[in-house]
Amino acid sequence: DTAVSQTPKYLVTQMGNDKSIKCEQNLGHDTMYWYKQDSKKFLKIMFSYNNKELIINETVPNRFSPKSPDKAHLNLHINSLELGDSAVYFCASSQNPTGGAQTQYFGPGTRLLVL
Amino acid sequence: AQSVAQPEDQVNVAEGNPLTVKCTYSVSGNPYLFWYVQYPNRGLQFLLKYITGDNLVKGSYGFEAEFNKSQTSFHLKKPSALVSDSALYFCAVRPSGGYQKVTFGTGTKLQVIP
Repeated sequence: DTAVSQTPKYLVTQMGNDKSIKCEQNLGHDTMYWYKQDSKKFLKIMFSYNNKELIINETVPNRFSPKSPDKAHLNLHINSLELGDSAVYFCASSQNPTGGAQTQYFGPGTRLLVL
Repeated sequence: AQSVAQPEDQVNVAEGNPLTVKCTYSVSGNPYLFWYVQYPNRGLQFLLKYITGDNLVKGSYGFEAEFNKSQTSFHLKKPSALVSDSALYFCAVRPSGGYQKVTFGTGTKLQVIP
């Protein structure tokens, strides 16, 4: 069973479109994250949710809107896609980090290409 | 603000030789430190972490890392490199206590040459 899964794996779309990426974890974790990895492999956190509540929102354009319907799911919706949004987006989950140095478990990534 | 530096973009090592991937950090208070590995077209996988206690931490696949508080370093090591160790390695840090974000380094590509 895949611990953290993302769909779709690949996403090719035109500038200006709206798209969503879905993430699910079956680890029973309370906390989920979205990261963006650019073409130079730099990894930067975008959002973090703890038990469906937004905890971290790093200087991300408001075209990006995360939604957590329950603590096992964290989706990312992107409006008006731009060329610079092309990247690999990783979902991750962990136990509540207030309890200590919790390991994050990453999904396989969604490769977004905006044309 | 916390930060992580991985000074080498790439490290090349011959198979069977020891390897070191360097990491230094800056954080307020006591750090939690992590190493993750990323294989091509895959997500990151956890290798090991330092929380407190023994400065030498052992992790998956024979890797270990040494926490050095005075040098603010957390270098990743392995006594004998395998070709299958070739991957991208990320060091990460967060302050201890409370809910804190994890900051990742820029990654070091390890190439093990047969």
